[in-house]
Amino acid sequence: GAGVSQSPRYKVAKRGQDVALRCDPISGHVSLFWYQQALGQGPEFLTYFQNEAQLDKSGLPSDRFFAERPEGSVSTLKIQRTQQEDSAVYLCASSLKRVITNTGELFFGEGSRLTVL
Amino acid sequence: KNQVEQSPQSLIILEGKNCTLQCNYTVSPFSNLRWYKQDTGRGPVSLTIMTFSENTKSNGRYTATLDADTKQSSLHITASQLSDSASYICVVGRMDSSYKLIFGSGTRLLVRP
Repeated sequence: GAGVSQSPRYKVAKRGQDVALRCDPISGHVSLFWYQQALGQGPEFLTYFQNEAQLDKSGLPSDRFFAERPEGSVSTLKIQRTQQEDSAVYLCASSLKRVITNTGELFFGEGSRLTVL
Repeated sequence: KNQVEQSPQSLIILEGKNCTLQCNYTVSPFSNLRWYKQDTGRGPVSLTIMTFSENTKSNGRYTATLDADTKQSSLHITASQLSDSASYICVVGRMDSSYKLIFGSGTRLLVRP
């Protein structure tokens, strides 16, 4: 697609519910990231995929958070038994290259805003 | 500790005026520094990327500077427009990581008519 697409844009969940957030990266992009952004803060790293391999999940806050990218394209971030502190915007980003910390461009989606009541 | 600090936290300016946003970092070993613009309710969009050897880069009315010795960067916005109202995020990459970027908390800019 033309850009990184995320759905749903907005999700309201009752505490204890499970949610699934979807990310469609730019076609052909190797690297995919999930970030969590609290209100008024910068994005915080959650997890990183290189194609279908999850190479780093060190940023996931707890074992209630799970991410997958089974075919190396679309990714899903799942949050089980949601809690109020999970309320945030979840951003997905993709990059054409494996290495991005040199000058690799990172393209962000518009985010999924999760509100847990 | 690898950190990126931005100032001011927020800023209000009149349309047509210039402004400068600051970013100080302690990230090491340094690889590159980026500035992103994030409109309310949208994802961040890249403005500039600078490596160690670059000390200035422009993108239209946006000019970023980098002083790798003092570990400081600035983003200068010339002749501000109402559409410049957004958060501006400074992001630093480490040489010893192929993918992990460190994000600042951003400066929220409001341009008033």
